[in-house]
Amino acid sequence: DQQVKQNSPSLSVQEGRISILNCDYTNSMFDYFLWYKKYPAEGPTFLISISSIKDKNEDGRFTVFLNKSAKHLSLHIVPSQPGDSAVYFCAAMEFGNEKLTFGTGTRLTIIP
Amino acid sequence: DTAVSQTPKYLVTQMGNDKSIKCEQNLGHDTMYWYKQDSKKFLKIMFSYNNKELIINETVPNRFSPKSPDKAHLNLHINSLELGDSAVYFCASSQVLSSGGSKNIQYFGAGTRLSVL
Repeated sequence: DQQVKQNSPSLSVQEGRISILNCDYTNSMFDYFLWYKKYPAEGPTFLISISSIKDKNEDGRFTVFLNKSAKHLSLHIVPSQPGDSAVYFCAAMEFGNEKLTFGTGTRLTIIP
Repeated sequence: DTAVSQTPKYLVTQMGNDKSIKCEQNLGHDTMYWYKQDSKKFLKIMFSYNNKELIINETVPNRFSPKSPDKAHLNLHINSLELGDSAVYFCASSQVLSSGGSKNIQYFGAGTRLSVL
């Protein structure tokens, strides 16, 4: 039973435009959400996170939006740059449980 | 200086063998994890240790045994390797906040690609 889903396995975006990556979850106990970025042959690296008490968190070119009622979050990257080409994983966790539950990832390709 | 380092990076072995993967973190974190990424790219937690004590143990065959000699190291030993064990194994660490709350940012190693032939 996959509790965190990323339904788009891949996404291509023109350089300079906005990239929007989506994530859905089913477990209403999740209260903290993270995005990780992964390059080939490397481990996932933390990008940005959001607590369930917020609906938006921004860090430079990266913004994460959380819609709790829809159990949906999204990552916006603007403007997209070639170095953003990577696999992006959405992850979630419950309060008091340090286990991260990951989605299957979305491969983002930025076209120069 | 690598924050979370795993060795080896690649491991090719025969079915039935026993192998170990080592993990070390120099971030001063008190919690370490092992994840498995299978052929479908699904990244799933296996174990977690906090200050050398096991705190998360997912449904993993008992052929897999984590060992934490100190809080900076968490090694993974696998007995009687099977074809289905072929995957990329990631080690991670984090500092769990004493104040509680879900602020767990986990830092990952580069992974160990295990191929069982």
